Amino acid sequence: KQEVTQIPAALSVPEGENLVLNCSFTDSAIYNLQWFRQDPGKGLTSLLLIQSSQREQTSGRLNASLDKSSGRSTLYIAASQPGDSATYLCAVKGYWAAGNKLTFGGGTRVLVKP
Amino acid sequence: DGGITQSPKYLFRKEGQNVTLSCEQNLNHDAMYWYRQDPGQGLRLIYYSQIVNDFQKGDIAEGYSVSREKKESFPLTVTSAQKNPTAFYLCASSIDLAGGETQYFGPGTRLLVL
Repeated sequence: KQEVTQIPAALSVPEGENLVLNCSFTDSAIYNLQWFRQDPGKGLTSLLLIQSSQREQTSGRLNASLDKSSGRSTLYIAASQPGDSATYLCAVKGYWAAGNKLTFGGGTRVLVKP
Repeated sequence: DGGITQSPKYLFRKEGQNVTLSCEQNLNHDAMYWYRQDPGQGLRLIYYSQIVNDFQKGDIAEGYSVSREKKESFPLTVTSAQKNPTAFYLCASSIDLAGGETQYFGPGTRLLVL
């Protein structure tokens, strides 16, 4: 059974510092991995989706890497801003998962202090 | 504007009562999903549907029921059999089930027990 873990559960950084968020998964047979952002009391917004054949994806200040063999993904957010404060969740789709089923980590709650 | 709407934003349930959460999408997506999120935790899949009049149980379907009579609508009923219904409920949709494309999320409904 796939398990997804995100450590730390919470993170506080001063504005301008780079953010590094970690995600690990137990079963390397994944179809893809996604990073989502969730603001308090809101739904999820997809940030980046990495297919199993890719090593990384970039969008603006965001860069996500994927290392299937070690079961890890890292989300980098460059030059953090107070507007980046949110909870970030990673989710994996197993290669044999039925129904586009995603397994989510517990999230990392980020606070960027001005 | 294309997107997913959920109503109500807050819902209160009395003991022994069934309540229904609404989810509507105008993205012309075939697949729809219901997730439950507990504080500080990731999302867990309740039910999913890949096409009208078809739906499948997810990981935590007990105490819940769904219907898919129209492509754009996927209501979730929390029955009295669900003993711990207090949670944040998120509806999502995707183009289909097979490709692993990203899922788009609604704003959520918070269910509280009186």
